[in-house]
Amino acid sequence: GDSVTQMEGPVTLSEEAFLTINCTYTATGYPSLFWYVQYPGEGLQLLLKATKADDKGSNKGFEATYRKETTSFHLEKGSVQVSDSAVYFCALSEYSSASKIIFGSGTRLSIRP
Amino acid sequence: NAGVTQTPKFQVLKTGQSMTLQCAQDMNHEYMSWYRQDPGMGLRLIHYSVGAGITDQGEVPNGYNVSRSTTEDFPLRLLSAAPSQTSVYFCASSLTQGGEKLFFGSGTQLSVL
Repeated sequence: GDSVTQMEGPVTLSEEAFLTINCTYTATGYPSLFWYVQYPGEGLQLLLKATKADDKGSNKGFEATYRKETTSFHLEKGSVQVSDSAVYFCALSEYSSASKIIFGSGTRLSIRP
Repeated sequence: NAGVTQTPKFQVLKTGQSMTLQCAQDMNHEYMSWYRQDPGMGLRLIHYSVGAGITDQGEVPNGYNVSRSTTEDFPLRLLSAAPSQTSVYFCASSLTQGGEKLFFGSGTQLSVL
């Protein structure tokens, strides 16, 4: 079945460092791909999405490119801030159905001042 | 605009006790769902609803009941709590079942002793 694999955390970086959080997926068709972010004490919120191969999703300085050939959707940011400290979840949806969204296990990111 | 509101934020139960986790949304969303979040695992779908009067099971429904008497409310009932139900619970909603952007509540941390 469909699945999402994320790099294990926690990831600890210094402020202004470059961030990459790896995400790969397994799906039989052509899923939509998402990154959700969970700030401390809050629920998840959608950060960005991409719906087809080679699409780039972007928001708040974060980017991720849908790579069909490597079945990947890595999250990147050029210069992280302390306020980016959160848990990041990669997710996919193959059937355009909210009940079929599959989440990865999450990667905790901590940014040192 | 309150979005998705969950209560309580924290709860401690003894094995065998029952309780209801409340979820309400004020966005007129058709689709509502309950997830549990456990360490090292992605969010797992417990139950979902595509409209008032309609509910269905997700990936891990055992031990939980739901009902949807109104568009706004989607309570989750634990009939006889077990230590395996210790988890963080999230309610989420989407405009329609086909909507891929989920809006999450801030979560309920439940401990069953």
